[in-house]
Amino acid sequence: NAGVMQNPRHLVRRRGQEARLRCSPVKGHSHVYWYRQLPEEGLKFMVYLQKENIIDESGMPKERFSAEFPKEGPSILRIQQVVRGDSAAYFCASSRGAPDTQYFGPGTRLTVL
Amino acid sequence: TQLLEQSPQFLSIQEGENLTVYCNSSSVFSSLQWYRQEPGEGPVLLVTVVTGGEVKKLKRLTFQFGDARKDSSLHITAAQPGDTGLYLCAGHNNAGNMLTFGGGTRLMVKP
Repeated sequence: NAGVMQNPRHLVRRRGQEARLRCSPVKGHSHVYWYRQLPEEGLKFMVYLQKENIIDESGMPKERFSAEFPKEGPSILRIQQVVRGDSAAYFCASSRGAPDTQYFGPGTRLTVL
Repeated sequence: TQLLEQSPQFLSIQEGENLTVYCNSSSVFSSLQWYRQEPGEGPVLLVTVVTGGEVKKLKRLTFQFGDARKDSSLHITAAQPGDTGLYLCAGHNNAGNMLTFGGGTRLMVKP
């Protein structure tokens, strides 16, 4: 059984470019969560989505960040006009329902030059 | 805002010693999960505790959920170098929308 898949594993962008991070949940899971981990810090919740719906985006920065989970295909976290402070590890997790145990992917490490 | 405080932040011990990691909050959580994270990887689930007072054992690891569901502990018996890593506790809010993570305990077990 495949776990949560994230790609790319590493992403380098220059300031002002766009970053697109992809997450494929565990097969059969319809709930997806995105978390951010800054260097030497714990994970912070960003957004919770179900298919085609954003359920809770209370942890998302108000500007430049967006997320979607379309009916078909992976969930996408999009960061426009990246800045150096966006450099972090971004983790996706999925669950069968909520509340339910969340299983994490390996993360995408974003570096903004 | 629910907060989880983990202690200690760093722990360096010799192989064979015992240790306890604590996870405390002033808030009640509907469930609490412990994860272990290796460098460059995502958190891997160790256990989920749901009931106040619950104790779960996983080989040399013992997890306890406080009676009031506000705190938890992880005890490792006879630590081994393979236990080295970052241990994270995370609590579910009542709506179950998100996990609130503690700051983590970075454990190093020296042979």
